Amino acid sequence: GQQVMQIPQYQHVQEGEDFTTYCNSSTTLSNIQWYKQRPGGHPVFLIQLVKSGEVKKQKRLTFQFGEAKKNSSLHITATQTTDVGTYFCAGPLSYNTDKLIFGTGTRLQVFP
Amino acid sequence: DAGVIQSPRHEVTEMGQEVTLRCKPISGHNSLFWYRQTMMRGLELLIYFNNNVPIDDSGMPEDRFSAKMPNASFSTLKIQPSEPRDSAVYFCASSRSSGVSYNEQFFGPGTRLTVL
Repeated sequence: GQQVMQIPQYQHVQEGEDFTTYCNSSTTLSNIQWYKQRPGGHPVFLIQLVKSGEVKKQKRLTFQFGEAKKNSSLHITATQTTDVGTYFCAGPLSYNTDKLIFGTGTRLQVFP
Repeated sequence: DAGVIQSPRHEVTEMGQEVTLRCKPISGHNSLFWYRQTMMRGLELLIYFNNNVPIDDSGMPEDRFSAKMPNASFSTLKIQPSEPRDSAVYFCASSRSSGVSYNEQFFGPGTRLTVL
């Protein structure tokens, strides 16, 4: 079945360092969404990418969708303690469906 | 505006007991999702409804699990009988569906279930 894997599984960084998580799908995706889950919280939508090669920025966060639409990345510049949490990518199981397959997640810890 | 509402927030029960989790989606959203999250298996979709109709229940673990959506503003997930391996955080999420998968999902706070 369709799988969405993320690496790394865990990342510990010093505050101010950069962070990147990578998302890889076994199949081509029509779009990809990114969510953030704070410790003890629930996933919160961050952004959606639709076009091949698309790059979007939200302040210190940069999201990229691969040319083949099978991979994506999230890069955080100059991490802050507020960035702590688990970052999930998610893609639809197939076209014309609301069903998302969530990636395995990358847990980010930021040390002050 | 109120987000997705789930109850109870925490549930501790004994093996063999029936457990009912409740969810109220965001008003106007027509798709509703039940997820289970564990350290071992991550975030898994159990079932989702569109316009109150179950569309895909392939993620429901076994017959002990059942879900209903009697109207647009309420859904339940029932486990009967419960087992210790059902211990997890159960999330409900809703979205406004337009027929294509371009819609963000809004998650509720979750129900942390512990089965002893």
